[in-house]
Amino acid sequence: ETGVTQSPTHLIKTRGQQVTLRCSSQSGHNTVSWYQQALGQGPQFIFQYYREEENGRGNFPPRFSGLQFPNYSSELNVNALELDDSALYLCASSSGRGTGELFFGEGSRLTVL
Amino acid sequence: GENVEQHPSTLSVQEGDSAVIKCTYSDSASNYFPWYKQELGKRPQLIIDIRSNVGEKKDQRIAVTLNKTAKHFSLHITETQPEDSAVYFCAASRASNTGKLIFGQGTTLQVKP
Repeated sequence: ETGVTQSPTHLIKTRGQQVTLRCSSQSGHNTVSWYQQALGQGPQFIFQYYREEENGRGNFPPRFSGLQFPNYSSELNVNALELDDSALYLCASSSGRGTGELFFGEGSRLTVL
Repeated sequence: GENVEQHPSTLSVQEGDSAVIKCTYSDSASNYFPWYKQELGKRPQLIIDIRSNVGEKKDQRIAVTLNKTAKHFSLHITETQPEDSAVYFCAASRASNTGKLIFGQGTTLQVKP
């Protein structure tokens, strides 16, 4: 059984650019949640996908968008990057419609210069 | 909006002592309360969780208590060991969707040998 994997692990972008982060959910999990963790803070819920549809969204602007694919892997896209977008982006998967235990990936650390 | 407050932000104990971390939540509909341990540069890992139909749950040296009336829950670690040193996060959600967690700000626990 493979765990949640994310790519890339680290990346550096400049203000105004766009970024795509990728996540493969744990085997058997059909729900993916994305979180943003700023340095020294707790993770903040961005949005969740269940069976390729958005299933809830946190307090993030529309320039944060996502996708889930038929194999339940997922992407997080951020447009028009701002300095405050610098953070660790965590993907987590769970079974059911998000009723099971949440398993996190190691995260993608984004630095915006 | 929904909020989880966590205290203290830092906690230093001697090896063998107990450590207690406290959280309060604002959404009275919350009924799932997990605790995560995050080591430096690593993913958050679930260490224990509790649902609102019980007031206490224990797993070896770790226990969690829940007071739904006061909207308050706590993590208790007994006989602390240096490997317990990490950042601990409490979180809350509705059990209908454990993927939409509201996290506390985190507690940095240092266990001195």
